[in-house]
Amino acid sequence: SAVISQKPSRDICQRGTSLTIQCQVDSQVTMMFWYRQQPGQSLTLIATANQGSEATYESGFVIDKFPISRPNLTFSTLTVSNMSPEDSSIYLCSVEHPRTRGGTGELFFGEGSRLTVL
Amino acid sequence: SQKIEQNSEALNIQEGKTATLTCNYTNYSPAYLQWYRQDPGRGPVFLLLIRENEKEKRKERLKVTFDTTLKQSLFHITASQPADSATYLCALDTSGGSYIPTFGRGTSLIVHP
Repeated sequence: SAVISQKPSRDICQRGTSLTIQCQVDSQVTMMFWYRQQPGQSLTLIATANQGSEATYESGFVIDKFPISRPNLTFSTLTVSNMSPEDSSIYLCSVEHPRTRGGTGELFFGEGSRLTVL
Repeated sequence: SQKIEQNSEALNIQEGKTATLTCNYTNYSPAYLQWYRQDPGRGPVFLLLIRENEKEKRKERLKVTFDTTLKQSLFHITASQPADSATYLCALDTSGGSYIPTFGRGTSLIVHP
C-alpha cells in the first residue's frame, strides 16, 4: 500500500491569488496524478506528473493555470493560479498501486485539499 | 460521445439487505473496471477490480459483475451495514489498457439501521 499526505486539507482563498498544494508519498513512485472533484461531479484528471520531466496535462487544463512540480520520486506540488470561484473544488493527489505497476491502474488517493475561493 | 453512468439518486436500503449499484458505459471497450468507495471529506479507496475476461469477482461481502455485451457492471454489497454508507465510484479503462482510469460520478448508498 501507499500512504499519501496532502496539505493543506482545506483553505479559503481570495479571488486572484494562488495556492500550492503539496503531496507526499511514503514510497517512491514513478507517476503521480492530480485530480479535481467539483461538487457532485466525478473525479477529473488534471495532469500526470513524472519525476524529472514536465507534467502531462489533460484536455482543458493548462500549465499556466495549474503548474506542477515533481522534484523527486516521493513528492509533488500542484499550484492553482489566479483563482476564481470556479476553482472551488477538492484537489486530490494519487499514485498507482505498486503491485499493479504498468497494469490495471488501481489508484491510491490522498485525503484531498478542499479549496473555497471567495 | 463516451459516457460512464451511475445513478445520481441515492440508494436507500435497510440494514441486512443487499445493495446493488449499477455502472453503465457507452462507446468504450475497457480492459478492466474498478470500484472505489469514497466517504465525505476523504479520498476514494480502491475496492475491487474486474477484467474484461472475468464475469464476476468477489471479496468478502462485495461482489462485482462485468457484462461487456451489456456494457454494464453491477456492484453488490450483501448483508449491508450502516457503515457501508458512502459514495461508490466506478472507474474504467477508457483508452485501451491505459493505467489511468476514468471515473463515473458515483452513487451514494445509505444503509438505514
